[in-house]
Formats: sequence, structure tokens, C-alpha cells
Amino acid sequence: GAVVSQHPSWVICKSGTSVKIECRSLDFQATTMFWYRQFPKQSLMLMATSNEGSKATYEQGVEKDKFLINHASLTLSTLTVTSAHPEDSSFYICSAREGGTDTQYFGPGTRLTVL
Amino acid sequence: EDQVTQSPEALRLQEGESSSLNCSYTVSGLRGLFWYRQDPGKGPEFLFTLYSAGEEKEKERLKATLTKKESFLHITAPKPEDSATYLCAVQTSGGYNKLIFGAGTRLAVHP
Repeated sequence: GAVVSQHPSWVICKSGTSVKIECRSLDFQATTMFWYRQFPKQSLMLMATSNEGSKATYEQGVEKDKFLINHASLTLSTLTVTSAHPEDSSFYICSAREGGTDTQYFGPGTRLTVL
Repeated sequence: EDQVTQSPEALRLQEGESSSLNCSYTVSGLRGLFWYRQDPGKGPEFLFTLYSAGEEKEKERLKATLTKKESFLHITAPKPEDSATYLCAVQTSGGYNKLIFGAGTRLAVHP
């Protein structure tokens, strides 16, 4: 139980294009989903928190117009990196939490490379 | 400011050599402490949640303990497949379910 998937697992795109990453909870309803970014040999940095049907809450320093988050259903959240640039290249990981519980379950991550 | 510090940064063990990883925290109010395992290029895998001082949780060769200031992850007779980065994270009382992660301990177990 508590499986979270991400798609795609890796993506390469040209500078200036937009990329959408999907995060799905496969066997539970995720009232809250989180998006993290991880640089090599560093820990996870929380980018934003989203509750189903509500606008995402972004962490300080994260550009909300650049990283668009949608949590339209209890099993799906999407992160769109708009007008991507090489500095956006990173490992993006989502997590999901079922209502009434504390534990976040993580997806396998998406490696984004912007050329 | 809420803070989580893990030590050591890296640890090399021989197979069967038991050891402990440390996670110390300074938070305004602890709601829960979480341990995750992360393999290279993958997302973190949930291991344990601890809520109160004195609590212990076990899973195979791993045992997590919690005090008012720190948590330990004890690894008994480790095997090479236990090699990974172990992450500690805390959830604060007023943190709206956010996790604050430590930098992690990179564990390498050699045969």
C-alpha cells in the first residue's frame, strides 16, 4: 500500500519550453501533496504544498509563476515548469499524504535536464 | 529557527558491523519524527514515524529511538543492501504537515 507514482521519470527539454510532471497516489486518496527539489548530494527542499481543490502554498523564494502546481483530484497533482532554463535542471520529487495521517509517501522522482 | 542535524555525514561499515546514526533537532514543538531511506536516483522510502520520547520502532535490522532532543537509527549486523542515504525529518506542531529534512547520512556497507 501507499504507492506514489511520477511521470515521466526523466525528461530532457530545450531552454524556453514548458514541462509538466505528474504525481499520482495509486492506492489512497491524497488530500495533500508536496513538491520537492533535490540537488546532487543534498537533501530535499520543499517547493510547495497543495491541497485538493485549493491553490498551492509556495515556500519562500519559489516563483509561483514559474512552477505551476495543480491538485485537481484526490489522486493527481501536476507540476509545470514554465519557460525552463538550465538552472531549473534538477531532481523533482513529489509526496502525498492521506487525510488524517501524518506520513508522506514519496514518488520515485523526475530528473529534469534543460539544455 | 527549526533545525535538523544528522551525523555522521557519511559512514562506512563492514558487513555485520553494527552502528548508529544520529538525528538531533531543535524545533518549537515536535509533532512527529520520520526516518526515510533513499537510494541513488530514487525517491525516499518511508521507514518509521516516532511521536514521543521513549518510543521505539523496529523493522528487520533497523531500530529507531526518540528522545526529547534527538533520534537514533540503530543498524544491527548490516548487509550491503542496507547501503543508502538515511534521511531524518521532523514535523512541527505548527508546521501544517511540512517536513523539515536533515542533510542525511550516506551509509556504505562493504562485504
